[in-house]
Amino acid sequence: DADVTQTPRNRITKTGKRIMLECSQTKGHDRMYWYRQDPGLGLRLIYYSFDVKDINKGEISDGYSVSRQAQAKFSLSLESAIPNQTALYFCATSIPVGSSEGADTQYFGPGTRLTVL
Amino acid sequence: AQSVTQPDIHITVSEGASLELRCNYSYGATPYLFWYVQSPGQGLQLLLKYFSGDTLVQGIKGFEAEFKRSQSSFNLRKPSVHWSDAAEYFCAVGARNTDKLIFGTGTRLQVFP
Repeated sequence: DADVTQTPRNRITKTGKRIMLECSQTKGHDRMYWYRQDPGLGLRLIYYSFDVKDINKGEISDGYSVSRQAQAKFSLSLESAIPNQTALYFCATSIPVGSSEGADTQYFGPGTRLTVL
Repeated sequence: AQSVTQPDIHITVSEGASLELRCNYSYGATPYLFWYVQSPGQGLQLLLKYFSGDTLVQGIKGFEAEFKRSQSSFNLRKPSVHWSDAAEYFCAVGARNTDKLIFGTGTRLQVFP
């Protein structure tokens, strides 16, 4: 399912570098999320956005920032990357408010594997 | 606060055997419950979800899950596992009207021929 795309898919960078991960979606969803996945820890929420003007911190937002450039685009930035930010990063979207499917069903992109040396 | 526990980190089964993956949650009211699957190198795909109504939920790929309020559980089952089911499985809980999910730490399923 290519409705949620992430770029790049893989990235190796050095400590102290600024890096941006991008997420685009064609599902028309209002809500977008950034997670990181670490072995044994599952997925943890970094930031989420309910619309272009509504951005919220998740449980592990320190060291990250986000930008919601449009309904379809949600970028995650690491201003000064550090090795413990090495992880698999996922973007997700969820259905519009009032949808008959019910809230909270999230659809995930393929992930970005980030390595910070 | 919401939480999700998947007590089994790694499960190994033979192809054709039945499967049950455990999920326990902590939440003060009736939650939304989900199972996602992550194949190697892939993103997460929704297997099934429970919002309300019938406590036995059918999903894709022949999976089902049963919501048991008395046990705070939402275990995933499949009667006959296929080699292609080898993946990592995540249980998640969402509080109504918050639009955030809390994920368990995952169970890695290995299938032997």
